[in-house]
Amino acid sequence: GQQLNQSPQSMFIQEGEDVSMNCTSSSIFNTWLWYKQDPGEGPVLLIALYKAGELTSNGRLTAQFGITRKDSFLNISASIPSDVGIYFCAGQLKGSNYKLTFGKGTLLTVNP
Amino acid sequence: EPEVTQTPSHQVTQMGQEVILRCVPISNHLYFYWYRQILGQKVEFLVSFYNNEISEKSEIFDDQFSVERPDGSNFTLKIRSTKLEDSAMYFCASTDGLVNEQFFGPGTRLTVL
Repeated sequence: GQQLNQSPQSMFIQEGEDVSMNCTSSSIFNTWLWYKQDPGEGPVLLIALYKAGELTSNGRLTAQFGITRKDSFLNISASIPSDVGIYFCAGQLKGSNYKLTFGKGTLLTVNP
Repeated sequence: EPEVTQTPSHQVTQMGQEVILRCVPISNHLYFYWYRQILGQKVEFLVSFYNNEISEKSEIFDDQFSVERPDGSNFTLKIRSTKLEDSAMYFCASTDGLVNEQFFGPGTRLTVL
């Protein structure tokens, strides 16, 4: 099956810093989605990307769909303590019943 | 805002017992899913369901698993004879199939003893 490589595995930053994480795949996806998961809860959708090259923002979050359709990144600007959590990328392939293939996640810790 | 709900939030069972996990997807959604997340690992696809039938299943979804939409609102996952390795968080998700955004429920933590 398709595999997503997500990096970094974890990040420890100071409040106010910017952070960037990315996902790469050996095969293309038609849609990239970024989720955040708090401990013991379900993934919450942050941003969805539908077109190669698309750059989309949601508040302090910005995500891009790579031109090759094999990668995506997520940036968080001016981090705050509530940004703490695990961030997952997920790829979706057209004609796959919209099922999601997830990366292994990036654990973000923000030091106040 | 509409959301996916799941019950129970935590289920503890003995190995070999049957469990049924319940989900209420967002009301106008047409595609329904179950995913599994073993502690500390990534979220893994189990099964998709559309038009009252399974549309795709992963290799994890063996004969011990079944899904059902018994009425117009509920979507269930049954594990017939639980194994220790079935211990995980189980997430239900749904999408309308138009904008492809998939929304997840809060999960059921299944503990098999």
